[in-house]
Amino acid sequence: DSGVTQTPKHLITATGQRVTLRCSPRSGDLSVYWYQQSLDQGLQFLIHYYNGEERAKGNILERFSAQQFPDLHSELNLSSLELGDSALYFCASKMGGDLYNEQFFGPGTRLTVL
Amino acid sequence: AQSVAQPEDQVNVAEGNPLTVKCTYSVSGNPYLFWYVQYPNRGLQFLLKYITGDNLVKGSYGFEAEFNKSQTSFHLKKPSALVSDSALYFCAVRDIKTSYDKVIFGPGTSLSVIP
Repeated sequence: DSGVTQTPKHLITATGQRVTLRCSPRSGDLSVYWYQQSLDQGLQFLIHYYNGEERAKGNILERFSAQQFPDLHSELNLSSLELGDSALYFCASKMGGDLYNEQFFGPGTRLTVL
Repeated sequence: AQSVAQPEDQVNVAEGNPLTVKCTYSVSGNPYLFWYVQYPNRGLQFLLKYITGDNLVKGSYGFEAEFNKSQTSFHLKKPSALVSDSALYFCAVRDIKTSYDKVIFGPGTSLSVIP
């Protein structure tokens, strides 16, 4: 158990809908990262937050947004969902914003868009 | 641009035999390199990393990896494979020249250890 929690574990929804995925980092970790894992795209970095501020953006669609709250938990909002958004969404955390330490991954949220 | 290649989608090895999972990378500067493992229906778990220093890095569960700058490789190895090592392995790289914290993951290699 990495200490990173994600809810819900599974989410099934319809095209055009909006969902929110939640991540609680390990105690004391200030950085939160979001990733999308799909069979055709592999593991794609979406966005990084550090202590409430956005630090880096990856391949995140405009329909997707994220934020990190004062208690350091983070939410990933996915709107106008399409079939291709079906994937595993992971969040990861680490203590600081340094470049050399490893990230700790949560168990993921499996999103299915029908 | 940063990139990571794992040339083998699938590696099969007999239990007790040595295993190697290959990784090559491309960055503009010096790399930070990582290996992660993903068991079915689980998140990724950190195995080991190369930051600087000794080219041979030892990590969790008996795994090690060798950084080879001239070949831009960071292959994962284990002297004696266990059935429980069967999982998906990801190599990842971070370019230390970038000012932001973005990790690029390889496509993953599925390791099957056959009893």
